[in-house]
Amino acid sequence: ETGVTQTPRHLVMGMTNKKSLKCEQHLGHNAMYWYKQSAKKPLELMFVYSLEERVENNSVPSRFSPECPNSSHLFLHLHTLQPEDSALYLCASSQGYSSYNEQFFGPGTRLTVL
Amino acid sequence: AQSVSQHNHHVILSEAASLELGCNYSYGGTVNLFWYVQYPGQHLQLLLKYFSGDPLVKGIKGFEAEFIKSKFSFNLRKPSVQWSDTAEYFCAVNGGNQGGKLIFGQGTELSVKP
Repeated sequence: ETGVTQTPRHLVMGMTNKKSLKCEQHLGHNAMYWYKQSAKKPLELMFVYSLEERVENNSVPSRFSPECPNSSHLFLHLHTLQPEDSALYLCASSQGYSSYNEQFFGPGTRLTVL
Repeated sequence: AQSVSQHNHHVILSEAASLELGCNYSYGGTVNLFWYVQYPGQHLQLLLKYFSGDPLVKGIKGFEAEFIKSKFSFNLRKPSVQWSDTAEYFCAVNGGNQGGKLIFGQGTELSVKP
């Protein structure tokens, strides 16, 4: 248990559905991250929030929409996804948005798009 | 663009064998280097990190890694593996001036036979 929780752990959705992934950190951190982990590919950084402001958006399609209402919560809103979006989505947090801060990861949400 | 390459996709060893997992990165400036581990069914967690100083760093569970700047490498080693080391290992790099942005390798799956 790292202090970073993600819900749901598994999600199956159709291409026309709208769903949201939730991440919560109990570590008092002020930076939060979304990563995508596809089979046989490196983790891809999607979004970063620092002090509730988005500081990174790595050319992610607009069908993925992040939201950070406060420093403890991070959401990823999903809309009209494609089958190639099926992957493990990992949330992480760190004390600050710095190269010296360890990132703590959640268990991930396994997403399947039909 | 920065990239991280892990040459071994799947390594199979017997208990007590020595381990070395390769990691090479491409980035011309100052870097911070990390190894993360993901045990079966668990979250990603930090194994060790290098920021500066002694290029030989020691991490948890008897792991160590050596930073060789001239080779752009940060290989992970353990003199004698145990069955409990079965996991996936990820090398990650952060350009020192890029905030908390981590670039990951594709991972190496280690299977240790009892």
